[in-house]
Amino acid sequence: QKEVEQDPGPLSVPEGAIVSLNCTYSNSAFQYFMWYRQYSRKGPELLMYTYSSGNKEDGRFTAQVDKSSKYISLFIRDSQPSDSATYLCAMRSSGSARQLTFGSGTQLTVLP
Amino acid sequence: EPEVTQTPSHQVTQMGQEVILRCVPISNHLYFYWYRQILGQKVEFLVSFYNNEISEKSEIFDDQFSVERPDGSNFTLKIRSTKLEDSAMYFCASSVPDNEQFFGPGTRLTVL
Repeated sequence: QKEVEQDPGPLSVPEGAIVSLNCTYSNSAFQYFMWYRQYSRKGPELLMYTYSSGNKEDGRFTAQVDKSSKYISLFIRDSQPSDSATYLCAMRSSGSARQLTFGSGTQLTVLP
Repeated sequence: EPEVTQTPSHQVTQMGQEVILRCVPISNHLYFYWYRQILGQKVEFLVSFYNNEISEKSEIFDDQFSVERPDGSNFTLKIRSTKLEDSAMYFCASSVPDNEQFFGPGTRLTVL
């Protein structure tokens, strides 16, 4: 079983749609959860950063973490063509271990 | 807004040659990282660096790799004798303790 699983897509939605992106993980030691956006051949850009379970909202983006199910989600409201990118989930445990473990990324296209 | 910078953006080298990839982390950050992403694959952790020493490394980070902070601003990754399979995007990242990791734009390494 892979440590972090993410549906690679591709996912195509019309402009204005609500997008739901998800990751599951197997390592119960993970405590910090992140979503990054990556445009083609560019560096990952941090979108959301959460600790432990719960919800966090930032503008059109909402991150949810359910540690009991080992499941995290990113919701994008009112999606825009500029949201078209690959979305990466990443996570790490607490303490001195700071290496991030990434999902494989979901490729999203928002059609105008 | 402060950002991580990396040079060069693209490096082409012959197999067996040494390469040095350079990064300037965000100025008040204390932790520095290298990750790589082979084309079409997930982002993988290589090494983390704190207080002038390696704090974690992955199985990928073997004796061919080394890192250094030669002065107060730069952070480098050296590959001693490059192999074809070292061709990838290499990302530098930095963070303050227990906070988000911010990534640079990457260096695309092509080994011929």
